[in-house]
Amino acid sequence: AQTVTQSQPEMSVQEAETVTLSCTYDTSESDYYLFWYKQPPSRQMILVIRQEAYKQQNATENRFSVNFQKAAKSFSLKISDSQLGDAAMYFCAYRRDITSGTYKYIFGTGTRLKVLA
Amino acid sequence: NAGVTQTPKFRILKIGQSMTLQCAQDMNHNYMYWYRQDPGMGLKLIYYSVGAGITDKGEVPNGYNVSRSTTEDFPLRLELAAPSQTSVYFCASSYPRGRKYSNQPQHFGDGTRLSIL
Repeated sequence: AQTVTQSQPEMSVQEAETVTLSCTYDTSESDYYLFWYKQPPSRQMILVIRQEAYKQQNATENRFSVNFQKAAKSFSLKISDSQLGDAAMYFCAYRRDITSGTYKYIFGTGTRLKVLA
Repeated sequence: NAGVTQTPKFRILKIGQSMTLQCAQDMNHNYMYWYRQDPGMGLKLIYYSVGAGITDKGEVPNGYNVSRSTTEDFPLRLELAAPSQTSVYFCASSYPRGRKYSNQPQHFGDGTRLSIL
């Protein structure tokens, strides 16, 4: 069974600094998608970045980038120039196809990011 | 474009009461999902649907029922509320399988906070 592990329950970063959130997953599949979602205190789930497993190039979205190591099954999120608005819970998610023809998403337990002024 | 709309946002129930959490999406997504998020945890899949008239169980379906009579709506029903069902409930939707939509993420509603006393 696929699992997603976020080993850092909480992280802190100084404003304007860089922080990396870790995520590892377990799968026997070769084609899948990985996502990072942000959940601020408002509880909305906001997509931060996505990575397709068949693409070797790491995804980048402005200040957010990933380090995708397929062989190591690692998918870390790097936030550069951290801002106060980045403070939130961050969830790593793995998406896999299932036999009924749909996707299932498996979420990690989350990392709470605090940004210090 | 409203996206995914959940109602109500908050609700307090007594043990044994019943209620329906409403979810509607206006993006013509085939796939819809219900998750629960317990404090400090990630999301766990309750039920999902790949289209009108088709539903299936997720990881934690006990105590819940769903129906999907239209593409837009996917209500979640609690028949006999129990304290263990105190949680935040998220509805999500996404495009179906297929390379055309393969990199599209789930879209989430804002959640319903449910307390069973």
